[in-house]
Amino acid sequence: EAQVTQNPRYLITVTGKKLTVTCSQNMNHEYMSWYRQDPGLGLRQIYYSMNVEVTDKGDVPEGYKVSRKEKRNFPLILESPSPNQTSLYFCASSPTGTGFYEQYFGPGTRLTVT
Amino acid sequence: GQNIDQPTEMTATEGAIVQINCTYQTSGFNGLFWYQQHAGEAPTFLSYNVLDGLEEKGRFSSFLSRSKGYSYLLLKELQMKDSASYLCAVSMIYNQGGKLIFGQGTELSVKP
Repeated sequence: EAQVTQNPRYLITVTGKKLTVTCSQNMNHEYMSWYRQDPGLGLRQIYYSMNVEVTDKGDVPEGYKVSRKEKRNFPLILESPSPNQTSLYFCASSPTGTGFYEQYFGPGTRLTVT
Repeated sequence: GQNIDQPTEMTATEGAIVQINCTYQTSGFNGLFWYQQHAGEAPTFLSYNVLDGLEEKGRFSSFLSRSKGYSYLLLKELQMKDSASYLCAVSMIYNQGGKLIFGQGTELSVKP
């Protein structure tokens, strides 16, 4: 089944404790992206990747890191999480980064930082 | 800057028709997407418009006017399961690739 998977689905952590949210897609997509979704603010892009070893900042990159060493995986790293990073996070992928194709979203990771 | 506006909430009756509007001001326009998102779930693709006009897909239709920076999503024969948030997203040319800018979403409640 073609899909985007994320782990964990739910995470409660404390301020400053490094964490990684994994994202994997099995559709051989070139483009992958991370979003956060907050009430009243909609989906905002954190980082995106046009292909392996090519990543770039989105609209809200502060406090996050990403890497794209393999085509299928695009982990999101929070080196020192803070309470303002409490949010619902979605990973998404698309066949290319041209913007002409729909994005397929993972199921989401609900993160709470206390 | 980039701006996408859609109503925050709408209410409609089961079996009726509802139109959700979206206006946008962006640069490097590639096309416009509509996504459906049920509470706590991932957005799922509904439609994509790149040329002016109406795209029909079963009970859902989407319209685009590039000159007016305007789109709407039309839902016919509303069902209770259509209660969800509907996200308008503009695809832009950005850094030699594409970028998706989302509106805040329209929360649709379908009443019996």
